[in-house]
Amino acid sequence: DQQVKQNSPSLSVQEGRISILNCDYTNSMFDYFLWYKKYPAEGPTFLISISSIKDKNEDGRFTVFLNKSAKHLSLHIVPSQPGDSAVYFCAAKKTSYDKVIFGPGTSLSVIP
Amino acid sequence: EPEVTQTPSHQVTQMGQEVILRCVPISNHLYFYWYRQILGQKVEFLVSFYNNEISEKSEIFDDQFSVERPDGSNFTLKIRSTKLEDSAMYFCASKDRSYGYTFGSGTRLTVV
Repeated sequence: DQQVKQNSPSLSVQEGRISILNCDYTNSMFDYFLWYKKYPAEGPTFLISISSIKDKNEDGRFTVFLNKSAKHLSLHIVPSQPGDSAVYFCAAKKTSYDKVIFGPGTSLSVIP
Repeated sequence: EPEVTQTPSHQVTQMGQEVILRCVPISNHLYFYWYRQILGQKVEFLVSFYNNEISEKSEIFDDQFSVERPDGSNFTLKIRSTKLEDSAMYFCASKDRSYGYTFGSGTRLTVV
């Protein structure tokens, strides 16, 4: 039962260009969406989030877009830097107190 | 910046043995979680804990698993009789009343 899907297991982008990571979800009860970044042998690190009442949230080089009707969100990183190379997990939850459900992750490689 | 601390970073155990994974959440956080990630797979929810009791658990969290907050600071995950398929990275997370979790860096459990 994959409630949060990330259909691209990997993505390679040239340094300085835009990285776009996509995520789809199936549960219309999800109210809050998060992106986490994970390096090998480390725990997931919170990156950026968006609540369902918004369609865009921006934090520096990172922007998350939410299309509720399509049950789709995306993370844009611009400009991409080699240090952005990591696995990016899309995640969702129903309420503030609910568990976070993770997607399978997309491995981003930013090539210098 | 406050962090979630997990010990040990790596635990090797014989199949059938009991293991206890330890976590020190952020001190003013109220909600506590365990997740795991089997190599190459997604991060999976195990259990959430609030007000000294389990608030939700997944189907993975069977009778072999238990959690405890014995002294108000530590949060432990016990696996009573480990199986080979319990080998994974185990992540503890905690949060306050906001949406975001803070994850620890994980314990790599290897069952041999």
